[in-house]
Amino acid sequence: AQTVTQSQPEMSVQEAETVTLSCTYDTSESDYYLFWYKQPPSRQMILVIRQEAYKQQNATENRFSVNFQKAAKSFSLKISDSQLGDAAMYFCAYSYSGAGSYQLTFGKGTKLSVIP
Amino acid sequence: EAQVTQNPRYLITVTGKKLTVTCSQNMNHEYMSWYRQDPGLGLRQIYYSMNVEVTDKGDVPEGYKVSRKEKRNFPLILESPSPNQTSLYFCASSLSGGANYGYTFGSGTRLTVV
Repeated sequence: AQTVTQSQPEMSVQEAETVTLSCTYDTSESDYYLFWYKQPPSRQMILVIRQEAYKQQNATENRFSVNFQKAAKSFSLKISDSQLGDAAMYFCAYSYSGAGSYQLTFGKGTKLSVIP
Repeated sequence: EAQVTQNPRYLITVTGKKLTVTCSQNMNHEYMSWYRQDPGLGLRQIYYSMNVEVTDKGDVPEGYKVSRKEKRNFPLILESPSPNQTSLYFCASSLSGGANYGYTFGSGTRLTVV
């Protein structure tokens, strides 16, 4: 079974600084997708970024980028120029790309605080 | 506005009293799913549906039922709620490819069973 591990339960960052959230996963598949979701205090789950495993290029969305290391099964999220609105729980998630892939497997989350 | 709508947003109930949490999406998505979120455990899938009348169990289906009679609706039913079902519940939907493009989530239902 696939597992997703987020080893940092909590992190903090100064406003305008850069922070990196870690995620590792375990799978025997070669084709899959990885995601980062943001959950602010409003508790809405918001898709931040998506990475396809067969693509070498790291995904980027504005201030958010990932460092995808397939061999190491690592998928970290970098937030640049941190803003107060970035304070939230962040969840890493995995999806197998084959038939019947209806499940997102989530990590336990990292709570990010942004210090003014 | 494209969205997944869950109701109610908050619910307090007593042990054993049947309840239904409704979920509706207006995006014509084929795939729908229910997750529960518990502190320190992340989100875990309860049930999912690939299309009308097609549903299957996720990782934690015990104590829950679902139905998919219409494409837009996917209610979650707790026939006899127990305190260990106190949790934050999310409904989610996806257009195609199952979970591969990520799910669009509803705003959650905070359920407390006393």
